[in-house]
Amino acid sequence: DGGITQSPKYLFRKEGQNVTLSCEQNLNHDAMYWYRQDPGQGLRLIYYSQIVNDFQKGDIAEGYSVSREKKESFPLTVTSAQKNPTAFYLCASRRSGSGTDTQYFGPGTRLTVL
Amino acid sequence: KQEVTQIPAALSVPEGENLVLNCSFTDSAIYNLQWFRQDPGKGLTSLLLIQSSQREQTSGRLNASLDKSSGRSTLYIAASQPGDSATYLCAAGDSGSARQLTFGSGTQLTVLP
Repeated sequence: DGGITQSPKYLFRKEGQNVTLSCEQNLNHDAMYWYRQDPGQGLRLIYYSQIVNDFQKGDIAEGYSVSREKKESFPLTVTSAQKNPTAFYLCASRRSGSGTDTQYFGPGTRLTVL
Repeated sequence: KQEVTQIPAALSVPEGENLVLNCSFTDSAIYNLQWFRQDPGKGLTSLLLIQSSQREQTSGRLNASLDKSSGRSTLYIAASQPGDSATYLCAAGDSGSARQLTFGSGTQLTVLP
């Protein structure tokens, strides 16, 4: 089955620790995105990548970092510089090209800072 | 900067009722408008995508309309069922190559049996 996987489903972090959230897709999509969702709010864009080895900051990139070494993978690191990291994190992908605007989402990772 | 608003934040209806969810956006220069469904603790599922040149899209019991000039979109759900209970999010897509989405905060729908 083609799709997007995120791991882990739940993640607990102590203050001051960096953690990395995994996002993998087997849809052969060029573009990948990371969003953050807080309770009762919409999604906010953290980072996106349109091609391997290239990525761009979204609206709330401070305290986060990403890499795109492979087309299939777009891991997100939540660093200790992120002051309020407790949230639901969603990864998405999209096939580049005309008529391919739909973003497909993974199941999400819920991060809790203890 | 694009802002997307969804009102009401929550809606409760009896089974079988037809209903309309509303979405408004501030910048009419959108590339597309998408509607998503989100079940509790889950990711988003794409329901309908309307390109800026289109007025509406239909899928089964769902119909989405777009009025760029007024900055509004609606999602019409016919003959609602308890299985339709979820949060519905709309997102305005920009014309940049990354097709960035600006999301509303969603409408939480409960369909009562």
